[in-house]
Amino acid sequence: ILNVEQSPQSLHVQEGDSTNFTCSFPSSNFYALHWYRWETAKSPEALFVMTLNGDEKKKGRISATLNTKEGYSYLYIKGSQPEDSATYLCAFGAGGTSYGKLTFGQGTILTVHP
Amino acid sequence: GAGVSQSPSNKVTEKGKDVELRCDPISGHTALYWYRQSLGQGLEFLIYFQGNSAPDKSGLPSDRFSAERTGGSVSTLTIQRTQQEDSAVYLCASSPQPLSGGAPFFGPGTRLTVL
Repeated sequence: ILNVEQSPQSLHVQEGDSTNFTCSFPSSNFYALHWYRWETAKSPEALFVMTLNGDEKKKGRISATLNTKEGYSYLYIKGSQPEDSATYLCAFGAGGTSYGKLTFGQGTILTVHP
Repeated sequence: GAGVSQSPSNKVTEKGKDVELRCDPISGHTALYWYRQSLGQGLEFLIYFQGNSAPDKSGLPSDRFSAERTGGSVSTLTIQRTQQEDSAVYLCASSPQPLSGGAPFFGPGTRLTVL
């Protein structure tokens, strides 16, 4: 059983605060690490796909880093806005015989207060 | 089509009944996934189809669950003799090819409630 863990489980911040979450995953048999954003009553929306150790990706105020050797990824949000409120999911894509299967963490629920 | 579609959006059923959930993936996508999210839980992998290969069924929780994908396109997830613990949001996703080159696109989900 693959362990993909996210912390914190939930987070409340004020508008304008910067914040970050962690995703930890197995350091062996790594293929890709995905970040998704999931708003209530909507489909999960892909934010980033990272495949190489040391990858850094950025999309507007959101960025992510990847360390495959130690098995963690950070997601950063700079200057949080109320519309950033959502559940942020990471998913580990394994190689080898499990190739193609994504194992998700439980998510971090972010609430940004105006 | 614009994206992955799923039907029905909501399904309420009685314990012991069978249900069928449908997923229409994005045209041309060879990989199709089913996940579910039970209350307070993360996204749980159920089954994965890739082209004509045998599906990875390792996530199906019991033999009451089955899925098929006809013609490499539409997929149906069937739950027989539903139980209350089957209540969850069932999500389907598709991608052009597994993992490489991009993330799977998710549908809006089917919320299943078993009374």
